[in-house]
Amino acid sequence: GIQVEQSPPDLILQEGANSTLRCNFSDSVNNLQWFHQNPWGQLINLFYIPSGTKQNGRLSATTVATERYSLLYISSSQTTDSGVYFCAAPVYGGATNKLIFGTGTLLAVQP
Amino acid sequence: DTGVSQNPRHKITKRGQNVTFRCDPISEHNRLYWYRQTLGQGPEFLTYFQNEAQLEKSRLLSDRFSAERPKGSFSTLEIQRTEQGDSAMYLCASSFSAINAQYFGPGTRLTVT
Repeated sequence: GIQVEQSPPDLILQEGANSTLRCNFSDSVNNLQWFHQNPWGQLINLFYIPSGTKQNGRLSATTVATERYSLLYISSSQTTDSGVYFCAAPVYGGATNKLIFGTGTLLAVQP
Repeated sequence: DTGVSQNPRHKITKRGQNVTFRCDPISEHNRLYWYRQTLGQGPEFLTYFQNEAQLEKSRLLSDRFSAERPKGSFSTLEIQRTEQGDSAMYLCASSFSAINAQYFGPGTRLTVT
């Protein structure tokens, strides 16, 4: 099955800094999802992105499907950005329909 | 759009007891998913419903686990004879179709003592 790897596993930033998180996947995917898991465990949808670039405020995501990777950019980081960031690749067809998650990047933004 | 809801949010139980969790998906979503997340890991797929039909079950879903989605609306996940290894966050998600984004509920955190 498809493998999803994320890097770096941990990241510490000072407030105001920028960062790039990477997601590699072993097979072609149609619509990658990025999530932010807050300290209470809630998975918050950030992006649903087949290819190209999407932007939402200080966050943007770029997926290069042909090269099997996606990048999440966080600019001018804030302490509320802290948490775990997951990418997830969908697998569907026939009776199959699920997300395969990476192991996440734990981000800590310090004031 | 009220989002996906899950109840209870926390459950502490003794080993050997049965527990049941409930998930209410976004109202117009006919796909519903259960995932399990242990500490330091990403969520892992457990099972998937399209309307009331359970179409896929992961090998993680042992025979002590059962999930239902009567009438294609809310879903329940029951764990019988709980074990300490069942301690995890149980997450429910829903989507409008197979190719649309999945939206997650707040999860039920299970602790088996």
